[in-house]
Amino acid sequence: DAKTTQPPSMDCAEGRAANLPCNHSTISGNEYVYWYRQIHSQGPQYIIHGLKNNETNEMASLIITEDRKSSTLILPHATLRDTAVYYCIVRVAGTGNQFYFGTGTSLTVIP
Amino acid sequence: NAGVTQTPKFQVLKTGQSMTLQCAQDMNHNSMYWYRQDPGMGLRLIYYSASEGTTDKGEVPNGYNVSRLNKREFSLRLESAAPSQTSVYFCASSEVLSGELFFGEGSRLTVL
Repeated sequence: DAKTTQPPSMDCAEGRAANLPCNHSTISGNEYVYWYRQIHSQGPQYIIHGLKNNETNEMASLIITEDRKSSTLILPHATLRDTAVYYCIVRVAGTGNQFYFGTGTSLTVIP
Repeated sequence: NAGVTQTPKFQVLKTGQSMTLQCAQDMNHNSMYWYRQDPGMGLRLIYYSASEGTTDKGEVPNGYNVSRLNKREFSLRLESAAPSQTSVYFCASSEVLSGELFFGEGSRLTVL
C-alpha cells in the first residue's frame, strides 16, 4: 500500500491561506488521496478527497500534481479553529476500504 | 442520528484483565474499523470489517480480537491486557464506495 510523507508541523497566520503538502510518490492509478483532520483528541474529521483533478468544497481545496506523486491541501482563510493535525491518506485499492493514517502535520494558526 | 457510538469512554484495567470495547453505527454503513492512537502519534489500524460477516487484520492486530456482530456493531476485545495497549481507541465506519470515514469520540484505555 502507498505511504504518504508530510511535514511534522507548520504555522500559519490567521486569515492567510494554509498550504499543507503531502508526498505520495508510490500511489497507484486507482488510489484516491484523502485529507482528514483531528482537533485535540476528537475523532478525525473528513475534509476532502480526489483522484486526479483538483477539488474544492466548503472547507478546503485539494491540488493534485499531474503525475499524482504529491498534493496540497489549501485552507483559504485559516482561523484559530483550524488548528489541528492534518492527515493525508492514500486509499488502498482492493477489497474492503482500508485507510492508513500516518503522523500527519500539526498546523498551528497564529493570531 | 447518533452516528458512531463507542462504549465505554474511559476504562482502567490491570495487566492480564480482559475487556471488550463496543461500537455501533446508525448510518447503515457496510465497513467498520478499529484504530488506536498513542500519545503524539497518528492513528494505526487494528482491524477492519469490509462488510457484515468479514473481518481482516490491519497494521497492529496482535493482542486483539474483533467481532462484527451485525451490520451495526463491531466490537474489539482485549483478552489479556498489557500496558502497551494503553491508548485511545477509535471506531469508525464508512460506506464502501464513498470512502468518507465517520469516527466515534474515542475510548481512553489505561492498563496498569
